[in-house]
Amino acid sequence: ILNVEQSPQSLHVQEGDSTNFTCSFPSSNFYALHWYRWETAKSPEALFVMTLNGDEKKKGRISATLNTKEGYSYLYIKGSQPEDSATYLCARTQGGSEKLVFGKGTKLTVNP
Amino acid sequence: DADVTQTPRNRITKTGKRIMLECSQTKGHDRMYWYRQDPGLGLRLIYYSFDVKDINKGEISDGYSVSRQAQAKFSLSLESAIPNQTALYFCATSDLPGLAETRRFFGPGTRLTVL
Repeated sequence: ILNVEQSPQSLHVQEGDSTNFTCSFPSSNFYALHWYRWETAKSPEALFVMTLNGDEKKKGRISATLNTKEGYSYLYIKGSQPEDSATYLCARTQGGSEKLVFGKGTKLTVNP
Repeated sequence: DADVTQTPRNRITKTGKRIMLECSQTKGHDRMYWYRQDPGLGLRLIYYSFDVKDINKGEISDGYSVSRQAQAKFSLSLESAIPNQTALYFCATSDLPGLAETRRFFGPGTRLTVL
């Protein structure tokens, strides 16, 4: 079992603040790193899938970076809005396996 | 809109009962999955299927069975439910089979409580 660790476990920010959180994973036999956004009472939705060391992806105010050599990914949210409140899940696959190993998530609350 | 649906959305049952959770998808994806979410834990894979005749165990398959009745349908059964199977269950599909960029598309979840 590959351990995917996310920090912090939860985070409260004010509207307009920028924030970031971390996903750490074993760097050996890396294949892909996923970020999902999970709003309460809804389905988790894919934000990014990254495969290459140094990858950076962006969707609106949300961006992510990947360092496969040291085994971490950062998710950044610029100018947080209340609608950004959700749990952000990180997940990793190794060596072409179908098994996506998820972290426990970071729960973000953006206060108006 | 193409979607992944799950029924029921909520279920309360008693220890020892047989329960079936159903999943349907209109995305046309071959690959389907069942995951379980428990508080304080990451999503964990129960079973997955690459096509109608393919069933594979995930990391926590004990106490569960699945059936892939058609490309669009993948059901999860608890033959004799026990309280520690109380959890939120997600069905998912994936696109781009065999590629690193494949993503999961999740259903809305079924909240199961076993008393």
